[in-house]
Amino acid sequence: ETGVTQTPRHLVMGMTNKKSLKCEQHLGHNAMYWYKQSAKKPLELMFVYSLEERVENNSVPSRFSPECPNSSHLFLHLHTLQPEDSALYLCASSQTGFNYGYTFGSGTRLTVV
Amino acid sequence: AQTVTQSQPEMSVQEAETVTLSCTYDTSESDYYLFWYKQPPSRQMILVIRQEAYKQQNATENRFSVNFQKAAKSFSLKISDSQLGDAAMYFCALTNSGGSNYKLTFGKGTLLTVNP
Repeated sequence: ETGVTQTPRHLVMGMTNKKSLKCEQHLGHNAMYWYKQSAKKPLELMFVYSLEERVENNSVPSRFSPECPNSSHLFLHLHTLQPEDSALYLCASSQTGFNYGYTFGSGTRLTVV
Repeated sequence: AQTVTQSQPEMSVQEAETVTLSCTYDTSESDYYLFWYKQPPSRQMILVIRQEAYKQQNATENRFSVNFQKAAKSFSLKISDSQLGDAAMYFCALTNSGGSNYKLTFGKGTLLTVNP
């Protein structure tokens, strides 16, 4: 398998549930990103991991918890979410220093009920 | 801080015709990269074209080309011979060069409709 793979594709969860989003890249990249895409809003950068270390956390609420166990995998752990957290969550990867842009996954459509 | 502005929330074009999507940006850096991404209904963001700011020549990829005006900080995308498969949300993005990691700053996007 190549590129960036995100699972699940769709997720419906209650406000008291705990779930995780998974992202896997097979490109040998050394940086990974989580973005939130809401209707009629710009893409919001949530977290950046470079060489498996978190280098950016853009004031994201603590109910979102990222994890990067190695350079190929990135998780977003979710708990006690709010309905306004419903959105498309996109994962991306890149090779730092080469400026060829990101490679994106197809996203997880999250609905919080 | 970097900003990217796409002033056209929606555009439409007839199949086989040409359409231009606008993008302006602001950055204090002299060396940076600009991108256009396409997001079809399948949701995956796909890189369409990339421009290096230090290159004066406009980038071209088949039917896609850009008009890069560095002094005006403008980076428009021209799609020639539009096809139904070009219908998508298009995002303009900017990143500075160098550094151990970098961030892409995105515009809000332009929804392109292609009419048969």
